[in-house]
Amino acid sequence: DVKVTQSSRYLVKRTGEKVFLECVQDMDHENMFWYRQDPGLGLRLIYFSYDVKMKEKGDIPEGYSVSREKKERFSLILESASTNQTSMYLCASSLEGAPEAFFGQGTRLTVV
Amino acid sequence: LAKTTQPISMDSYEGQEVNITCSHNNIATNDYITWYQQFPSQGPRFIIQGYKTKVTNEVASLFIPADRKSSTLSLPRVSLSDTAVYYCLVGGMRSGSARQLTFGSGTQLTVLP
Repeated sequence: DVKVTQSSRYLVKRTGEKVFLECVQDMDHENMFWYRQDPGLGLRLIYFSYDVKMKEKGDIPEGYSVSREKKERFSLILESASTNQTSMYLCASSLEGAPEAFFGQGTRLTVV
Repeated sequence: LAKTTQPISMDSYEGQEVNITCSHNNIATNDYITWYQQFPSQGPRFIIQGYKTKVTNEVASLFIPADRKSSTLSLPRVSLSDTAVYYCLVGGMRSGSARQLTFGSGTQLTVLP
């Protein structure tokens, strides 16, 4: 089975902290995604990567950056966490040309 | 990327067939239609994908009319465990940077006993 693993299920951080959310997939997928999910807003794409060191902005990239130094790992970085970044963060991966994306369990981040 | 419109919520009873319709008027020629299911506190899970006419798998059927401006996800004989949010996505099987997956707000399906 494809496995997408996010480093933490729950995180609590302080305003202004630099926050790293890690995601690892074990199926050699080319594509990786970071979303945030908020009540009533569905899933919104933050960043997308289709290859190592390649990244594309999604719908809401402001306040975030990403890193993909290795194919299996895609990191989301909150440069200076703010309370409006309190959310559920979901990572996903997919094989190039395949219809199915696989999601991790999510990280519920609270910024206080 | 083509925008999709779905009902915000639907209720059904156990054992009934449920049809959720998605509108995608600006679908492009090489776009596919994909549906995902999401349970609370979990990531979305792929259900089905199609390009035209009808696709069926062990979970659901997907009906796509000839003009492809809408699609209908059909869940046969739902149970309480089918209560979830269902997302319709439209996009291509393009490579590289065009391979984004953009979700809408989804449809909250509640199955009642």
